[in-house]
Amino acid sequence: GAVVSQHPSWVICKSGTSVKIECRSLDFQATTMFWYRQFPKQSLMLMATSNEGSKATYEQGVEKDKFLINHASLTLSTLTVTSAHPEDSSFYICSARDGGGNEQFFGPGTRLTVL
Amino acid sequence: QKEVEQDPGPLSVPEGAIVSLNCTYSNSAFQYFMWYRQYSRKGPELLMYTYSSGNKEDGRFTAQVDKSSKYISLFIRDSQPSDSATYLCAMSGWGYSSASKIIFGSGTRLSIRP
Repeated sequence: GAVVSQHPSWVICKSGTSVKIECRSLDFQATTMFWYRQFPKQSLMLMATSNEGSKATYEQGVEKDKFLINHASLTLSTLTVTSAHPEDSSFYICSARDGGGNEQFFGPGTRLTVL
Repeated sequence: QKEVEQDPGPLSVPEGAIVSLNCTYSNSAFQYFMWYRQYSRKGPELLMYTYSSGNKEDGRFTAQVDKSSKYISLFIRDSQPSDSATYLCAMSGWGYSSASKIIFGSGTRLSIRP
C-alpha cells in the first residue's frame, strides 16, 4: 500500500513558539491531504483539507491563522502551529489521497507537547 | 447528537473469542463504511471498507452494514493478542471522491487476553 510519512514523530516546545509538521506521500502523488487532531482516548477530528496549489479548507472552529497549512507540491503538505499553547498539545495525523479519489492513507502521527 | 456513535469500551475478551464491534449513525447520506485499526501512538490503518448495505469478509474479519437500521458491525473471529488495538468506524457520504470527508467514530479499545 501507499506510504505516508510525518516528521517529526514527536516534538516538545515552549508556549508561544511555532512548530512545523511535515506530511509526505512517499510513493504516490497526493492531490488532497487532510490534517486531523486526536486528543487522548478520543477520535480523529478533521481540522482542514488541502489541495495542492490552493488554499486549505478549514473545519468550523479551527483557526486558520493559528494552524497554517501549505500544500506546495504533490508530495508534501505542512502544518504550522503558530504561537503554540498547552491546549494545543495533541496527536496530529495527516492523510493523503491520490488524484484517483481512492482511499486515504494515514501517516504515523506527530505527538506535540507544549510546555 | 453525534453523526457517528461508537462505544468506547474498553472491551476485554479471551484469546480465540469472537469479537463484535458496532457503530450507529444518523446521516442517511453515508454510503461508504470503513473500519480502521489504530495501535497506541500510531496512525490508523484501513482494515476494511464496504459500500452500501451487505457483508464483506476478509480472513478473520467480517464487516456488516445495515443501512435501514443505520448500524454497522465488525466481527473478528479467532481473536489474537495482536488484535489488541483501538478500532475506529468511519463513514463518508459520496464515496471516495476527493470532496468527501470521512467522519470517524470515537473508537473502541479492544484487549485480547492470552
